[in-house]
Amino acid sequence: DQQVKQNSPSLSVQEGRISIPNCDYTNSMFDYFLWYKKYPAEGPTFLISISSIKDKNEDGRFTVFLNKSAKHLSLHIVPSQPGDSAVYFCAASASSGDKLTFGTGTRLAVRP
Amino acid sequence: DSGVTQTPKHLITATGQRVTLRCSPRSGDLSVYWYQQSLDQGLQFLIQYYNGEERAKGNILERFSAQQFPDLHSELNLSSLELGDSALYFCASSATHNTGELFFGEGSRLTVL
Repeated sequence: DQQVKQNSPSLSVQEGRISIPNCDYTNSMFDYFLWYKKYPAEGPTFLISISSIKDKNEDGRFTVFLNKSAKHLSLHIVPSQPGDSAVYFCAASASSGDKLTFGTGTRLAVRP
Repeated sequence: DSGVTQTPKHLITATGQRVTLRCSPRSGDLSVYWYQQSLDQGLQFLIQYYNGEERAKGNILERFSAQQFPDLHSELNLSSLELGDSALYFCASSATHNTGELFFGEGSRLTVL
């Protein structure tokens, strides 16, 4: 049962444009959402998070949007840079639980 | 550098064998999590320990076991290995047992031949 789904396995954008990895979730108990970035041969690193009491959180070039009614999460990266090329994982947790549930990842390639 | 150390980085072994993966969490972090990433798959949660006690269990096989020691390092034991156990095994740590931001190690890549 895939509770967090990233339906786009890959994404390719031009440098300077906007990149939008996204994910859908099914568990209505999830109330905290995170994005992780992973480079080859490295562990995932935390990028940005959002609580379910908000619908937007911004940190520099990265903004996460949460649509609770649609159970949809998106990450906006603008402007995209070649160094942003990585796999982006969406993750979610419930305050009643202790584990993060990850999606399968979206591989982003930013073309110079 | 996340501050989480995993050893070994690479391990090649045969079916039926047993291996131990080791994780040292960030200084001061009490929670340790183990995740498995198979080829082109997401990170599958295996198990979590908090200050030496098992806190949560995910899709961990009975052939796998883990523990967290008094110095807070953790070991993941994989036994009777099968070809399908080949994967990247990540350890992560956090300061509390309520998951927020996890800090991941670089992973241990296990290849079962």
